[in-house]
Amino acid sequence: DQQVKQNSPSLSVQEGRISILNCDYTNSMFDYFLWYKKYPAEGPTFLISISSIKDKNEDGRFTVFLNKSAKHLSLHIVPSQPGDSAVYFCAASGRGGATNKLIFGTGTLLAVQP
Amino acid sequence: DAGITQSPRHKVTETGTPVTLRCHQTENHRYMYWYRQDPGHGLRLIHYSYGVKDTDKGEVSDGYSVSRSKTEDFLLTLESATSSQTSVYFCATRETGNHGYTFGSGTRLTVV
Repeated sequence: DQQVKQNSPSLSVQEGRISILNCDYTNSMFDYFLWYKKYPAEGPTFLISISSIKDKNEDGRFTVFLNKSAKHLSLHIVPSQPGDSAVYFCAASGRGGATNKLIFGTGTLLAVQP
Repeated sequence: DAGITQSPRHKVTETGTPVTLRCHQTENHRYMYWYRQDPGHGLRLIHYSYGVKDTDKGEVSDGYSVSRSKTEDFLLTLESATSSQTSVYFCATRETGNHGYTFGSGTRLTVV
C-alpha cells in the first residue's frame, strides 16, 4: 500500500511560469515532509522540507504547502527555469523513533520548456 | 556528494550469482540506508542500519542482506541475483537529529 502518492508522473511548464507538484499521504503519523530533486545519473538531493506544525515553508523560488486535514502537500516553483527540469520526489517520515525512515512517493518528472 | 561513495557505479551480472554493492561515507553519520529506484515505484527501502552491527529490514528486503562492520561502510549483498533485482541502488546517510538524508550517486545493476 503506497503511503505517499504522487499521482502525476509528469508535468510540463513554460519557463517563467509556476510549477506545482502535488503529493498525498495516507498515514496521519507522518510529521515531517521533504522534497528531493533528482537529475539523471545522480542521487537525489534535498530541496526543501516542512514540519507538520507548519503549513508553509519558503526558500527562494521554492515553497512547500502542507494541508494536514487533506493529507496533502504541494511544491511550488516560481518562476520555473529550464534547470529545474528533473524528477521530484516527495518523502515523509513519522514519529518512528530514532530510525526515522523516509517513505518516498513515485516521483514526478518536471520538464520546463524554454 | 563527495562524502558518500558507492561502488561499483555500474555492474552487469548473471542470474544466480552473488553481488555485493558498497557504500562508503566520510560523514561519520550513524544511520545508513539502501534504497532501490524503479519506474513506477519511486524509491523503496531495502535495509537500513542504525549503528555498527545494527541493521533492520525495509519494505523490499527479500533476496537482500546487509552488513555494517564499521561506521563508514554499509554493504548490500544480493545472495543470488535475479532479473527482478535489475535496478538503480542508492545508499543514503542521515545525521542524528536530522530528518533529511544525503544520497550517494547510485549503482546501476543489470542482472542478465
